[in-house]
Amino acid sequence: ETGVTQTPRHLVMGMTNKKSLKCEQHLGHNAMYWYKQSAKKPLELMFVYSLEERVENNSVPSRFSPECPNSSHLFLHLHTLQPEDSALYLCASSQGGSGNTIYFGEGSWLTVV
Amino acid sequence: GENVEQHPSTLSVQEGDSAVIKCTYSDSASNYFPWYKQELGKRPQLIIDIRSNVGEKKDQRIAVTLNKTAKHFSLHITETQPEDSAVYFCAASKVFGNEKLTFGTGTRLTIIP
Repeated sequence: ETGVTQTPRHLVMGMTNKKSLKCEQHLGHNAMYWYKQSAKKPLELMFVYSLEERVENNSVPSRFSPECPNSSHLFLHLHTLQPEDSALYLCASSQGGSGNTIYFGEGSWLTVV
Repeated sequence: GENVEQHPSTLSVQEGDSAVIKCTYSDSASNYFPWYKQELGKRPQLIIDIRSNVGEKKDQRIAVTLNKTAKHFSLHITETQPEDSAVYFCAASKVFGNEKLTFGTGTRLTIIP
């Protein structure tokens, strides 16, 4: 199943590095999401884009910067992260907003050293 | 905002027995309740969902029940098999508007052969 693809699958970065996570959806959806998944915590919604416009930002630190150049692509730019930012970052998409099935990508495992 | 609590956090059942996972939600206006299954190292995937106009929905060995008065919903898996071992997440949202899914903390289900 390749509906939502994420790269890289694994990333190790230092606290002073700048890196980006990429997500691409091939489902024709018009909404895309970034979630953070940490051990023993619920899936935390970070950002939502609907029709390429950011409609939600859940008090995410500015060291995370999303970018949605078109309805099929979503980036998460990372800068000066902290070790506690180490987690699985999941991209997702849906057609429309609430009440519609969200399709997740395989995730990008991020380790900040 | 919505708050979803999920219990238990871990559950072990003998193969062939039934498993039940319970969730409660706080916002009485929520009316869409999906369940996601996440196998080890894989993406969360929707397995079943229910909307508030029905009290129960079944799909082969899995079923979901909803009690709107008590604001709780449950996932039932019968005749469990080893491939049912995974983390299960419940979620809640409103169907209309810009409300996004609020996830529970997850239940790690282990099926003992």
